[in-house]
Amino acid sequence: AQSVTQLDSQVPVFEEAPVELRCNYSSSVSVYLFWYVQYPNQGLQLLLKYLSGSTLVKGINGFEAEFNKSQTSFHLRKPSVHISDTAEYFCAVSETGGFKTIFGAGTRLFVKA
Amino acid sequence: DAGVTQSPTHLIKTRGQQVTLRCSPKSGHDTVSWYQQALGQGPQFIFQYYEEEERQRGNFPDRFSGHQYPNYSSELNVNALLLGDSALYLCASSEGQGGQPQHFGDGTRLSIL
Repeated sequence: AQSVTQLDSQVPVFEEAPVELRCNYSSSVSVYLFWYVQYPNQGLQLLLKYLSGSTLVKGINGFEAEFNKSQTSFHLRKPSVHISDTAEYFCAVSETGGFKTIFGAGTRLFVKA
Repeated sequence: DAGVTQSPTHLIKTRGQQVTLRCSPKSGHDTVSWYQQALGQGPQFIFQYYEEEERQRGNFPDRFSGHQYPNYSSELNVNALLLGDSALYLCASSEGQGGQPQHFGDGTRLSIL
């Protein structure tokens, strides 16, 4: 069975500082990995995805993530955050060729002025 | 190009009642997945529909059922509502192949009194 662990429930950071949101997954088969963002009272929006190929994945809004197979991690990074990045971020995994997506519990990013 | 649309946006029901939630997928998408997101948690996979059939199901009781129509729109039905069914219900659409990124609607907020 697959599982996703987001290691931080909340991450406070000052505006223009770098940030890393950590995600570890568990799976016995090869996987696809995703990061989604959720703003208040909205659905989830895809930030980036890893399907295959380069382990460094670039997404929207200046975010990037690195797939580390040996450490089963997929951490999300941004070099300089803005107030507008304040939101809930979810890491997700699905089996290659599978149909079910498993989400982590989320990390609340709070950007302070 | 319309994204995923869900209706209604909010719904209040009492214990024991039945509810139907509706979803229209993004144009060009043929696969619909439903998720339950309790307050402060990540989305939990309920089931996925493709070609009008349930393709995979999460760990939810039979009180949760669904349907997909030939135009790919979908319904989620919940019978014998419990207080614990209070949550945000999210619909996501994607293209047929497994593991593809999903596009989410803004959800239906269901409150059980």
